[in-house]
Amino acid sequence: DTEVTQTPKHLVMGMTNKKSLKCEQHMGHRAMYWYKQKAKKPPELMFVYSYEKLSINESVPSRFSPECPNSSLLNLHLHALQPEDSALYLCASSQDESGHTGALSYNEQFFGPGTRLTVL
Amino acid sequence: QKEVEQNSGPLSVPEGAIASLNCTYSDRGSQSFFWYRQYSGKSPELIMFIYSNGDKEDGRFTAQLNKASQYVSLLIRDSQPSDSATYLCAVLSNFGNEKLTFGTGTRLTIIP
Repeated sequence: DTEVTQTPKHLVMGMTNKKSLKCEQHMGHRAMYWYKQKAKKPPELMFVYSYEKLSINESVPSRFSPECPNSSLLNLHLHALQPEDSALYLCASSQDESGHTGALSYNEQFFGPGTRLTVL
Repeated sequence: QKEVEQNSGPLSVPEGAIASLNCTYSDRGSQSFFWYRQYSGKSPELIMFIYSNGDKEDGRFTAQLNKASQYVSLLIRDSQPSDSATYLCAVLSNFGNEKLTFGTGTRLTIIP
């Protein structure tokens, strides 16, 4: 299995709703990422998990809450979002040997298909 | 100051010609470099990566890296209409550092 899957593909939610985005990979990768991408802009990093621990939080508002239940799964919990949070949310994964063995890691990141989120 | 710069385009290239995409980066400690292709409404797809100075070829694609000039490029030979997409250059500062810095992307159009 060489892909990253994301559900749902599309999500429409109101500003008072609570929803979750899900990401799964079975490539044995130990680093997983959440990105946000607005139209005609590059992906913006939100969070990085390495070996199931949060290693990078790019000062993301608390209405976005990541969770890594195990090495294959990554969730993004959403609550009280704003219309400007509407975007394509991308999950990615990569091998991350350096954090565990000290060996060099080349860290090619592979992206899932994304969840198109619309906040009304 | 932008850390990774690309010409936003659009870059128009006739079918069958060579498309040349360029990227410069500011962090001299950057170690690994990636080219992603992104079709409209889709997610980025990794097409090439390079770590050492020089050229790396994979099919119709060639990545070129010059660390002294802090410059990385992607050549697409025998361009096809299906190559029309936005190409994102991404840079990783240190081995083991998971944070990729993306350029703004170059929109490439192949004209039949």
